[in-house]
Amino acid sequence: NAGVTQTPKFQVLKTGQSMTLQCAQDMNHNSMYWYRQDPGMGLRLIYYSASEGTTDKGEVPNGYNVSRLNKREFSLRLESAAPSQTSVYFCASSDPPVGNTEAFFGQGTRLTVV
Amino acid sequence: AQSVTQLGSHVSVSEGALVLLRCNYSSSVPPYLFWYVQYPNQGLQLLLKYTSAATLVKGINGFEAEFKKSETSFHLTKPSAHMSDAAEYFCAVSDHGGTSYGKLTFGQGTILTVHP
Repeated sequence: NAGVTQTPKFQVLKTGQSMTLQCAQDMNHNSMYWYRQDPGMGLRLIYYSASEGTTDKGEVPNGYNVSRLNKREFSLRLESAAPSQTSVYFCASSDPPVGNTEAFFGQGTRLTVV
Repeated sequence: AQSVTQLGSHVSVSEGALVLLRCNYSSSVPPYLFWYVQYPNQGLQLLLKYTSAATLVKGINGFEAEFKKSETSFHLTKPSAHMSDAAEYFCAVSDHGGTSYGKLTFGQGTILTVHP
């Protein structure tokens, strides 16, 4: 059971470079989420997609863009990476949107911007 | 906006001792509440969730949590700690509706250390 798969697992970028973090889920979930995790701050929502074809900003969207490519895939793009974007990024999915149900998380992408 | 406060960024216990991790939320309406665990270099795994069916919720690995509306708390406990419980624990909330529906708000996390 793959669940939520994120690629890559590790990445080092130079300031100003761009990259796309990939996320795919095989649970037929409608809702998908991108969070970032920073020490002492828990996880903070960057963007989410309640269903295929829709995306909305979360708590910390600046510097990021997302694409809900299809029901399975939800990508996060950094157009011009900054050291402040050094973090661990988690993708999650749920169905229905997290309310009385749980979100399933990927293993994370550890990103360092130098 | 919802907020979640976990008291104590680090908790250290001896093997066999009681584990108590504290979580308080701010909401005028009881939200959905969750505890997640994160082992080193891994994603988050659900321990348990409160969805208003019962105030005492039992989860995996011997953990349980009690929802107390009067105290706006959802503390996590385990009677006897194991070495394998060493991890970071996150409390999270989700609203029933409105603009926050479907989104989790996390606490800052508590790192649990278990000593032999």
